[in-house]
Amino acid sequence: GQNIDQPTEMTATEGAIVQINCTYQTSGFNGLFWYQQHAGEAPTFLSYNVLDGLEEKGRFSSFLSRSKGYSYLLLKELQMKDSASYLCADMDSNYQLIWGAGTKLIIKP
Amino acid sequence: DADVTQTPRNRITKTGKRIMLECSQTKGHDRMYWYRQDPGLGLRLIYYSFDVKDINKGEISDGYSVSRQAQAKFSLSLESAIPNQTALYFCATSDLGQVTGELFFGEGSRLTVL
Repeated sequence: GQNIDQPTEMTATEGAIVQINCTYQTSGFNGLFWYQQHAGEAPTFLSYNVLDGLEEKGRFSSFLSRSKGYSYLLLKELQMKDSASYLCADMDSNYQLIWGAGTKLIIKP
Repeated sequence: DADVTQTPRNRITKTGKRIMLECSQTKGHDRMYWYRQDPGLGLRLIYYSFDVKDINKGEISDGYSVSRQAQAKFSLSLESAIPNQTALYFCATSDLGQVTGELFFGEGSRLTVL
C-alpha cells in the first residue's frame, strides 16, 4: 500500500528551529520530496532525497532513512515568511508522487 | 510571466455544466500533470501525459477527461460537473531529463460547483 503521514499543524517561534516529520509506506521507492506551499499559492520544490542522510540547503535541511521509511524537514532561524504548509511526497515504483496532506507551520513572533 | 499558466483562476458553475480548465507552459517540458487539492487531503493525481501522444489516468480520473493539444498545452475537462468536484486544481510540469523529477506548478484554478 501507499501511505504518507505527517503532522497536521505545528507552531514555532521566530528565530527558533523546527523539525517536521514524515513517514511513508510505499511499494517501491524512488525518492522523497519536500515542497512548500503558502496559503492560496502553488507548491514550490524544497528538497529531494534518494539516499540516506542529511541534505543541507541554507536554512533548510532534509533527512532520509529508507530502512525506517522516515524523513524530516529541518528549518533553522525561522522567519515569519516560513509560515506555510510543508508537503511531503514520495515517488513510487511508477515514478509517480504520493503526497501527504501537508503540515501547516505557524510562526509566532 | 509565469512559466506554467492556468485559466481560469477562479470559476463558479452549476451542477451538470461542462467545464474546461486550461494549462499552458513555456518551460519546454514534456511531462504535464493535473492534480486536485482538497482541505485535509494530499494532492491527488487526476491525469498525466508524458508527451503529446501519451495520456494516462491517475488516482482519481473518474468524471474527468484531458486533452494534450500540443507539448505546451494540457486541458482538463469536467463533462458534467458535480459538487464534490469543488476543489483547487493544479497543473504541473516536469522535465524528463531532470534527475530529481521536480514538479513546477501553475498558480491553481479554484473551481466551485453549486
